Amino acid sequence: AQSVTQLGSHVSVSEGALVLLRCNYSSSVPPYLFWYVQYPNQGLQLLLKYTTGATLVKGINGFEAEFKKSETSFHLTKPSAHMSDAAEYFCAVRGTGRRALTFGSGTRLQVQP
Amino acid sequence: EAQVTQNPRYLITVTGKKLTVTCSQNMNHEYMSWYRQDPGLGLRQIYYSMNVEVTDKGDVPEGYKVSRKEKRNFPLILESPSPNQTSLYFCASAQGGGIYEQYFGPGTRLTVT
Repeated sequence: AQSVTQLGSHVSVSEGALVLLRCNYSSSVPPYLFWYVQYPNQGLQLLLKYTTGATLVKGINGFEAEFKKSETSFHLTKPSAHMSDAAEYFCAVRGTGRRALTFGSGTRLQVQP
Repeated sequence: EAQVTQNPRYLITVTGKKLTVTCSQNMNHEYMSWYRQDPGLGLRQIYYSMNVEVTDKGDVPEGYKVSRKEKRNFPLILESPSPNQTSLYFCASAQGGGIYEQYFGPGTRLTVT
């Protein structure tokens, strides 16, 4: 089975501060890993993904994430938070068998002025 | 414009009254899936379809039915809705087996009284 744990259901940062959202996964096969963002009253939008190759992946809106196999982690970072980054963020891992994605429970990011 | 559409966006119904939520994509994707989103639980997969006439259960299939008669459409059927099916539902589609980026619809908020 595949699973994802997102540490911290709510994270609050000041505008301009570093954003760090944590994601740990378990997988019996080499994983594909994803971060999705959900703005209020909208569907999910892909931020970035890791499939193979370079372990540091860059996404949209200045976000990046690093795949660390030894730590089974895929934390999401952004050097400087903007007010527009306030949203809910979901980490996901490719499921076993024929299933596509298993999602974490989400982290709601607040950005304080 | 490439998109996944869902209808209706909002639905209030009563226990036991059959309903269908439609999902359609215009990207010629083989893979389609239904998720429900509940606070603190993230997104959980209900059913998915690898192609026309090929469907399989996800993590929480009880109380739901699906069909895939055409590539572009993947309706979700609740034959006898119950209050515990009150949730936010998302349809998604993807190329191939869905291991890469999934494109999400805008969501359907269902309330069962």
